[in-house]
Amino acid sequence: NAGVTQTPKFRVLKTGQSMTLLCAQDMNHEYMYWYRQDPGMGLRLIHYSVGEGTTAKGEVPDGYNVSRLKKQNFLLGLESAAPSQTSVYFCASSYSITGNEKLFFGSGTQLSVL
Amino acid sequence: EDKVVQSPLSLVVHEGDTVTLNCSYEVTNFRSLLWYKQEKKAPTFLFMLTSSGIEKKSGRLSSILDKKELFSILNITATQTGDSAVYLCAVTIIQGAQKLVFGQGTRLTINP
Repeated sequence: NAGVTQTPKFRVLKTGQSMTLLCAQDMNHEYMYWYRQDPGMGLRLIHYSVGEGTTAKGEVPDGYNVSRLKKQNFLLGLESAAPSQTSVYFCASSYSITGNEKLFFGSGTQLSVL
Repeated sequence: EDKVVQSPLSLVVHEGDTVTLNCSYEVTNFRSLLWYKQEKKAPTFLFMLTSSGIEKKSGRLSSILDKKELFSILNITATQTGDSAVYLCAVTIIQGAQKLVFGQGTRLTINP
């Protein structure tokens, strides 16, 4: 079982460059999420999706865009990277059924913006 | 604003000690509270709590929720060096859709 797969695992960008992080899940989950994790701040929600073709803003959406063209994939884009976006990014997915909402996480992407 | 606060932020103990980690929350439309363990990479699921006063147990780990006082505790007895990790508390809220709000995490270090 692959579960939730994120690519790439590491990336270094220069300020102003763009990139896309890819998340794929094979559990037929309805919900998918992108979080960022910074020291001392836990996990903060960037964007999320409740189903194919729908996305919504989370707590810290500025500077990011997302798309969910297929149910199994959730893409996170940085159009013009800034040093403040240096972070570890986690994708997660879950069912939408009450009592079964635990998140399954990908292994994370370490992004450095110079 | 929905808020989840964990304490302490950092804890160092000796192998064999018992530890208690705390999580308090202030959210609208609470659905559940979850505990995760994070070692080097992705958080792994420990417990999900929805009802007050019912203890969930897995080996040396246990957790309980108090929905009146809005907090949960995670206990680890007879700690081992393998318990060293960041422990994350998260609350599922319903705000149009279901979302998890995370606390800052508690970094637990077990010294031999």
